[in-house]
Amino acid sequence: GDSVTQMEGPVTLSEEAFLTINCTYTATGYPSLFWYVQYPGEGLQLLLKATKADDKGSNKGFEATYRKETTSFHLEKGSVQVSDSAVYFCALSDSGTYKYIFGTGTRLKVLA
Amino acid sequence: SQTIHQWPATLVQPVGSPLSLECTVEGTSNPNLYWYRQAAGRGLQLLFYSVGIGQISSEVPQNLSASRPQDRQFILSSKKLLLSDSGFYLCAWTGGYEQYFGPGTRLTVT
Repeated sequence: GDSVTQMEGPVTLSEEAFLTINCTYTATGYPSLFWYVQYPGEGLQLLLKATKADDKGSNKGFEATYRKETTSFHLEKGSVQVSDSAVYFCALSDSGTYKYIFGTGTRLKVLA
Repeated sequence: SQTIHQWPATLVQPVGSPLSLECTVEGTSNPNLYWYRQAAGRGLQLLFYSVGIGQISSEVPQNLSASRPQDRQFILSSKKLLLSDSGFYLCAWTGGYEQYFGPGTRLTVT
């Protein structure tokens, strides 16, 4: 079945550092891809999405490009802030069902 | 705009007691609805999803059940809670590509 694999955390960075969180997927169809962010004690918030190959999703300085050839959707940000500290989830929507598949999450800690 | 509500926000229940968590969505019609559980420091486990009133698909056999009595209402229930039912329960809805989550219910079974 479809699956999502994220890099293990935690990721600890200094403020203004460059961020990359790797995400790869396996899917039999043509899924849409998403990044969600979860702050402590809260639900998940949609950060960005891409619905087809070569699409670039972006929001709040974060970007991710849907790479079909490498089955990847890596999350990047040029300069992280302390307020970006959270858990980030990569996800795909299974085009054959109504289900969404989530990665295990990557915890990001940004130090001032 | 659409909003999703969950209650209660926190719950502490003894082993063997019943459970009822409620989720409602406003500002949309005929959404697909989902219940997830998130164990401490872990990812999301899909429990149930529903594509319409009275239509429930179960992903994990366990002592939980779900019902959808109205178009925008989704209820998670249990007759007898287990210690392993502790976790953070998230309701979500979709109307298109994206999935939107509620604020969650923190359940502690003692």
